[in-house]
Parts: sequence; C-alpha cells; structure tokens
Amino acid sequence: GAVVSQHPSRVICKSGTSVKIECRSLDFQATTMFWYRQFPKQSLMLMATSNEGSKATYEQGVEKDKFLINHASLTLSTLTVTSAHPEDSSFYICSAPPGQGLLETQYFGPGTRLLVL
Amino acid sequence: AQSVTQLDSHVSVSEGTPVLLRCNYSSSYSPSLFWYVQHPNKGLQLLLKYTSAATLVKGINGFEAEFKKSETSFHLTKPSAHMSDAAEYFCVVSEGSSGGSYIPTFGRGTSLIVHP
Repeated sequence: GAVVSQHPSRVICKSGTSVKIECRSLDFQATTMFWYRQFPKQSLMLMATSNEGSKATYEQGVEKDKFLINHASLTLSTLTVTSAHPEDSSFYICSAPPGQGLLETQYFGPGTRLLVL
Repeated sequence: AQSVTQLDSHVSVSEGTPVLLRCNYSSSYSPSLFWYVQHPNKGLQLLLKYTSAATLVKGINGFEAEFKKSETSFHLTKPSAHMSDAAEYFCVVSEGSSGGSYIPTFGRGTSLIVHP
C-alpha cells in the first residue's frame, strides 16, 4: 500500500531557530501533499496544501512566511518552521493522496513532534 | 462547504462489548467519508472509507460503518471491543475542489476507552 514517511520523527530546538520537516511518498508520486498541525488532545488542523511545481496554498490564519513549504519533486515536500517559538510546539503531520482514482483518500505520515524551548 | 461532527468526545466501553462512534457530516456534493485511528504518539491509520459504492463499508480490525444519506451519518461500529482498540478515532469528509484535488475536513475526534 501507499506509504508516506516523515523526517525527523522528533525534534527539539531553541527558540528563534528554524526547523525543516520532510514528507516523502515512498512508493507513489504525489502532486499534492497536505500539512497539518495537531495540538494535544485536539484534532488535525489543515495548515496548507503543497503543490508540486507551484506555490503552496495556506489556510486562513496560517502565516506563509513563518511556515515555508517547498514541494520540489513528486515525492518530497518540506515544511520549514522559521524562527520557531514555544507556541509552535506541536505534532506536525503530512498526508498525500496516492494517485489517480484515489484522490479522495489520504495516506498519512507518522508525524513529527516539535518541541521549541 | 463541508463539515464533520463527532458527537462524542469520549466513549467508554468494556472489553467484549459493542462499540459505536457517531459521526454526522455536511457536504454540498456526494462526499467521500473516512474513519482513521490514531494511537498515542502515532500517525493516522485508515480504518475504512466510503466512496459512493456499497453503503455498508467493512474495514480493518473488525470495524464497519454505514453511510446513511437520509441521516447524513457515517457511524463506526464494532461488535466486540478489544483492549488494543483504545485510541483516538477521527471521522473525515472529503469532497472535490474546483482545482481537482480533494481537501479533507476532520472531526474533532473521539477517544475510545476500553475497560478490562
């Protein structure tokens, strides 16, 4: 089945530094990937839609200059949290539809837990 | 516009008893509906999905869900709960956008607690 990986699984950083999170589709090509943030005991909130070869589409209230998204290839999207602050600490999850005929299905990465000190 | 309401934030059952996790949706078009499970500190795993085929959908680990258009519901059930079923469950609705992609909308989640 379709597999999505994320790296790193956990990261701890100092306030003010930038953190890059990678999302890869391992056995399929993904022209679209989604990035979510999940706070403890809460649901997933869609942050942005990553589109291969074009600019990402951000949800209302998400700062595009703070959460930089690059979808450089059909198997890789990166989310960079710039100048991270403690309130950015969260569980970040990506997903991707596996391809034609299954666009409505999302396969999720295992998530990246970010802790900003 | 689409939305999902999971009616219970917590459901507590005893091992071996039936499970019912409720989900109601709102969608402008014929939606695709999903249930995902998330174990602590883990990613999401697809349990089952409805995409306009049979209204009774069977998933993994003995779970099933029935799509009822008249009630705009997609409740998740399992005849007999197991301790390993304890997790967070998310109901998700997805409909196509003008750009051709499908953007999912998540319910708030239901925490399933299973007592020995």
